[in-house]
Amino acid sequence: GQQVMQIPQYQHVQEGEDFTTYCNSSTTLSNIQWYKQRPGGHPVFLIQLVKSGEVKKQKRLTFQFGEAKKNSSLHITATQTTDVGTYFCAGPLGAGGTSYGKLTFGQGTILTVHP
Amino acid sequence: DAGVIQSPRHEVTEMGQEVTLRCKPISGHDYLFWYRQTMMRGLELLIYFNNNVPIDDSGMPEDRFSAKMPNASFSNLKIQPSEPRDSAVYFCASSTTSGRTKNIQYFGAGTRLSVL
Repeated sequence: GQQVMQIPQYQHVQEGEDFTTYCNSSTTLSNIQWYKQRPGGHPVFLIQLVKSGEVKKQKRLTFQFGEAKKNSSLHITATQTTDVGTYFCAGPLGAGGTSYGKLTFGQGTILTVHP
Repeated sequence: DAGVIQSPRHEVTEMGQEVTLRCKPISGHDYLFWYRQTMMRGLELLIYFNNNVPIDDSGMPEDRFSAKMPNASFSNLKIQPSEPRDSAVYFCASSTTSGRTKNIQYFGAGTRLSVL
């Protein structure tokens, strides 16, 4: 079936190191969204990418959407302990795309940061 | 807006008991989603509604699970009878298909369910 895959599943870094998580879809996406879930919390929307090749930045976070609109990445520069959590990508798979509201979430990348 | 509101935040029950989880979506949102999250299976979509109508319940694990949305401001998820393997965090989320926040899902704080 149609899927959104994320790698790696886990990432442990020392504070100050960079971190990247990758997201791949089995089909072309009209857009891709990224969410962050802090330990014990709920997923919170970070950003949405719509255009082929789009790059967006939020402070130390850089989000990219692939040219073919089938993959995406989230890069964090100089991680801090506040970056700890699970990062999910999500895309509207299936017929109808965004008009149907449903998102398929990747399995998430769990980031731990050692001070 | 107060965001998506779920109750209860925690539920501990015994196997065989009925469990009801409640959700109030963001006002004006036309989509409502129920998810289950476990370490083993990650975030799973159970069922979702559009304008109070169930669209896809293929993620509901079995007949013990049911969900309703009697009006635009309320939905519930019932498990009857509950089993220990139902222990998980259950999230409700809502979204709108119009405007600046189109298709962004807003999650509630979740209900942590423990079935003993």
